[in-house]
Amino acid sequence: DAKTTQPPSMDCAEGRAANLPCNHSTISGNEYVYWYRQIHSQGPQYIIHGLKNNETNEMASLIITEDRKSSTLILPHATLRDTAVYYCIVGGGSYQKVTFGTGTKLQVIP
Amino acid sequence: NAGVTQTPKFQVLKTGQSMTLQCAQDMNHEYMSWYRQDPGMGLRLIHYSVGAGITDQGEVPNGYNVSRSTTEDFPLRLLSAAPSQTSVYFCASSSLAGGGEQYFGPGTRLTVT
Repeated sequence: DAKTTQPPSMDCAEGRAANLPCNHSTISGNEYVYWYRQIHSQGPQYIIHGLKNNETNEMASLIITEDRKSSTLILPHATLRDTAVYYCIVGGGSYQKVTFGTGTKLQVIP
Repeated sequence: NAGVTQTPKFQVLKTGQSMTLQCAQDMNHEYMSWYRQDPGMGLRLIHYSVGAGITDQGEVPNGYNVSRSTTEDFPLRLLSAAPSQTSVYFCASSSLAGGGEQYFGPGTRLTVT
């Protein structure tokens, strides 16, 4: 399974865009990039995923580089409720064994 | 549609006791998994299943057993609890036909004394 590297923490001003980077240089051709977040000690919440193309949904945008070795999760207008730990993981498809790292702790500041 | 449910929410065990953590989903998902999360750490995969009757080990399977007799249920059994198994346990499910996104339960907080 490919591993990911994320910064341990980031701050973002409320109302500004939060850009969370992730490196996954060993990703294989059929592996997706997934983003989840965990607020306090709740169960992780799925945000978005992608294979090659950039993706957008009501929560966030996902930008994947052309070589697929890194990606960025964008929260366009961060709110205090977006304060959480964000996990970038790779895997999925027909083989669901994935590994969570320690993620990025995003603190949204008023 | 309740999603993924877990019982109990909290549990305290003495060393050597056994117990079963329950997990159920009502989304007809083929894939189900169990993770543990220790304080300040990410999630580590214990066991997973890609369908009824099929299970496999994850990163940290020792001390845990699973079985999958139905699509809906995926119980996790602690055979002989140890203090090192004090953790928060999350169950998740996903559809193999979908994009692979996992839906998580609220967790079970287990303390072993």
